[in-house]
Amino acid sequence: GENVEQHPSTLSVQEGDSAVIKCTYSDSASNYFPWYKQELGKGPQLIIDIRSNVGEKKDQRIAVTLNKTAKHFSLHITETQPEDSAVYFCAARHSGGGADGLTFGKGTHLIIQP
Amino acid sequence: GAVVSQHPSRVICKSGTSVKIECRSLDFQATTMFWYRQFPKKSLMLMATSNEGSKATYEQGVEKDKFLINHASLTLSTLTVTSAHPEDSSFYICSAPNPYEDGYTFGSGTRLTVV
Repeated sequence: GENVEQHPSTLSVQEGDSAVIKCTYSDSASNYFPWYKQELGKGPQLIIDIRSNVGEKKDQRIAVTLNKTAKHFSLHITETQPEDSAVYFCAARHSGGGADGLTFGKGTHLIIQP
Repeated sequence: GAVVSQHPSRVICKSGTSVKIECRSLDFQATTMFWYRQFPKKSLMLMATSNEGSKATYEQGVEKDKFLINHASLTLSTLTVTSAHPEDSSFYICSAPNPYEDGYTFGSGTRLTVV
């Protein structure tokens, strides 16, 4: 089955600086890669996603890059703000269509230092 | 659109009792519902996939008699933790494929504490 590795487990950055979180996946057939933000006691919230036919996607301060050859994808948050502090999870879907569940990375606790 | 409502948000129960968690799709019909379990400061682990009108598919290592899943209608899937024990204490989250775009919509989660 799919295996998703996520690094780092904890990331502390100064407010205003950029944060980068990296994930690798094992199944070359995976075609959908979402990133979720989870606050304490709440369900995951989708912040951005990318599909295997695209190399990069950007939404304001958030961007995701995908390297299919190397099987890794990264989340980039620029101009970080205190409200960006949360746990971030990457995930991969290892087959086509929504009938398959997601495999999640272990999460990154992002801390924005004021 | 594509909202999944999960209840209860928190529940405390005594060892040996059963607890039912409900997930309802409010504005769409969910033929599939995924159930995840999350331990504190850990990732989400897929437990099972429920499909309306058929038996759920359980991931390896998940006891189907312990975690009963019912998906009797297109808008309701339930997870019942039977004969709960303290080690079943966890955060349980449901998720359904988003019918409006490729992706998933998640419930808000249920914090189960077994005492």
